[in-house]
Amino acid sequence: RKEVEQDPGPFNVPEGATVAFNCTYSNSASQSFFWYRQDCRKEPKLLMSVYSSGNEDGRFTAQLNRASQYISLLIRDSKLSDSATYLCVVILNAGGTSYGKLTFGQGTILTVHP
Amino acid sequence: DGGITQSPKYLFRKEGQNVTLSCEQNLNHDAMYWYRQDPGQGLRLIYYSQIVNDFQKGDIAEGYSVSREKKESFPLTVTSAQKNPTAFYLCASSIGLAGFSSYNEQFFGPGTRLTVL
Repeated sequence: RKEVEQDPGPFNVPEGATVAFNCTYSNSASQSFFWYRQDCRKEPKLLMSVYSSGNEDGRFTAQLNRASQYISLLIRDSKLSDSATYLCVVILNAGGTSYGKLTFGQGTILTVHP
Repeated sequence: DGGITQSPKYLFRKEGQNVTLSCEQNLNHDAMYWYRQDPGQGLRLIYYSQIVNDFQKGDIAEGYSVSREKKESFPLTVTSAQKNPTAFYLCASSIGLAGFSSYNEQFFGPGTRLTVL
């Protein structure tokens, strides 16, 4: 089983639609969670952190379910500019001076059409 | 403007040649990282560095080498020993090592696309 798994999609949705992505992780010791956005042939950029209680940033809502070991990203009222690949990122605990291993999912492709 | 620069954007190399990818940051970040990304896959860590003159292997270090002589610079050399070097290479930096803070965002450079002919 992969450490971090995402449905690669692609998800094709019309403008204004609501779309949700899930990301599952295998290591229960995972500590921190993020969603990054990557535009075609560009570098990833942080979209939002994922907090235990869930968090919202405008049209974007992120949630964490530790019991089932998954995080989710909900996008409401989709815009054409939301078209991108969405990467989930999971960080394992770091101890002492060791590196907290940061693992990327393979990404979910979203295309929003008119 | 603060940020991370990578050069060149596109790089072509003949099989059997070593090549060095540049990564420079002026964010005053201590930690720097190198990843590669292959189509349909997530980023995989090659090397990382917490501080000047120190670096550690990531998950796929074989066939690569790095140096960290200056805080701002973390060049990656793709050696002829790397069996499948064609990929998109991304350099990143963060204030400190990942895992020590929930807010330890990694900032990425624009990447270098390496193609081995």
